[in-house]
Amino acid sequence: AQRVTQPEKLLSVFKGAPVELKCNYSYSGSPELFWYVQYSRQRLQLLLRHISRESIKGFTADLNKGETSFHLKKPFAQEEDSAMYYCALRVYNQGGKLIFGQGTELSVKP
Amino acid sequence: DVKVTQSSRYLVKRTGEKVFLECVQDMDHENMFWYRQDPGLGLRLIYFSYDVKMKEKGDIPEGYSVSREKKERFSLILESASTNQTSMYLCASSSGTLGEKLFFGSGTQLSVL
Repeated sequence: AQRVTQPEKLLSVFKGAPVELKCNYSYSGSPELFWYVQYSRQRLQLLLRHISRESIKGFTADLNKGETSFHLKKPFAQEEDSAMYYCALRVYNQGGKLIFGQGTELSVKP
Repeated sequence: DVKVTQSSRYLVKRTGEKVFLECVQDMDHENMFWYRQDPGLGLRLIYFSYDVKMKEKGDIPEGYSVSREKKERFSLILESASTNQTSMYLCASSSGTLGEKLFFGSGTQLSVL
C-alpha cells in the first residue's frame, strides 16, 4: 500500500543550526514527491518537488530510492522557517492524487 | 495568482445537521479536491473531481458526498454531521491531467457539537 511517513511531529532547532525533516514513503511505482509548507495563518503551499531539483528558500530535498526517503534539508535555519511541513506522494494508478504525510512542525528558536 | 475561496472560515453545527462547505476557484482548473486536516494525521483526501459532474472517492469518503455542477465550484456535503467530523477542511485545485501543483484554500474549521 502507498504511504508517506513523517516520523517527527515536532522538530525544534536554534537559528543557524542545520535542519533535516524526515520523510519516508512506500510505493511500488516510480515515485513523484513533494514538500508542502503552511506558515502560521497562511494557506498550504508547494515548497518544492523532486523532479524540479530546485532549491527554494535554501531548502533542498533529494529522492533516495534505495532508502525510500525524501528528506528536506536546510544548512542554516531561520526563524521565518518555522511552519508546518508536509511531505506528499503522487499515486499514478489512482488518478494522480496526492497522499500526504502526518506533517512535522518546525520551530526555529532565536 | 490563483484564488481558491472557501465560503466560511469557521462553522459551528449541531449533530445531525446537513452541512454544506463551498469552494470556488477562479483559474479554470479541471481538478478539485477536498481534504481534512487533523493534528497528527496530516491531510486525508475525502473526494476529488477531474471534471464537471464527475467525482472520485478519496481515502475517507464515508459520511461525505460532493457536488460539481460547474467547473469552478466544488461542494462538500456532510449528510448528517457527527462530532468526529469536527476538523479543518481544505479545498484545493490544480490544472492538467495529473495536476502538477495544488493550490489550497484558506480552510474551513468545522465544529460539530
